[in-house]
Amino acid sequence: GENVEQHPSTLSVQEGDSAVIKCTYSDSASNYFPWYKQELGKGPQLIIDIRSNVGEKKDQRIAVTLNKTAKHFSLHITETQPEDSAVYFCAASDNNNDMRFGAGTRLTVKP
Amino acid sequence: EAQVTQNPRYLITVTGKKLTVTCSQNMNHEYMSWYRQDPGLGLRQIYYSMNVEVTDKGDVPEGYKVSRKEKRNFPLILESPSPNQTSLYFCASSFYRVSGEQYFGPGTRLTVT
Repeated sequence: GENVEQHPSTLSVQEGDSAVIKCTYSDSASNYFPWYKQELGKGPQLIIDIRSNVGEKKDQRIAVTLNKTAKHFSLHITETQPEDSAVYFCAASDNNNDMRFGAGTRLTVKP
Repeated sequence: EAQVTQNPRYLITVTGKKLTVTCSQNMNHEYMSWYRQDPGLGLRQIYYSMNVEVTDKGDVPEGYKVSRKEKRNFPLILESPSPNQTSLYFCASSFYRVSGEQYFGPGTRLTVT
């Protein structure tokens, strides 16, 4: 089955800097790759997703890139702000299997 | 407001005392699932349901039961809780089983002593 690895487990950046979180997956059939943000005391919330027919997707300060050949995808946050501090999860799924999540990255943005 | 609700939010119980965590969604989603979140392990699926009366095991189903008698509700049942079930639990719902946004509840923190 699918296995998703996520790095780093913790990330600390200065406000205004960029943050990058990377994930790799094992199942070449996976075709949907969402990213979830979990704020303290809340459930995860989708922030951006990408499908296998595109290589990059942007939404304001957030972007996701996908390399299907290498089976990895990354979340890029530019101009980080303190409110970006949270735990971020990547996930992968294909049309037949349920979603598998990475272990999570705790991002801290220092003012 | 579209949402997934869970109750209780916090629960401390003792080994062997049956408990139920309720989950309800108001978005008419067909697909619902339960996850547990543990440090360093991310979100692992316990059970899922593709529609009323249709449930199936996820990756870590041992020690749990679920039921789906109504489309909006998907309770998680621990018949005989053990300390290794101490965790943070999330219910989620979506239109599709895969390849679509999942909406998560606020979580239930369970401690079994």
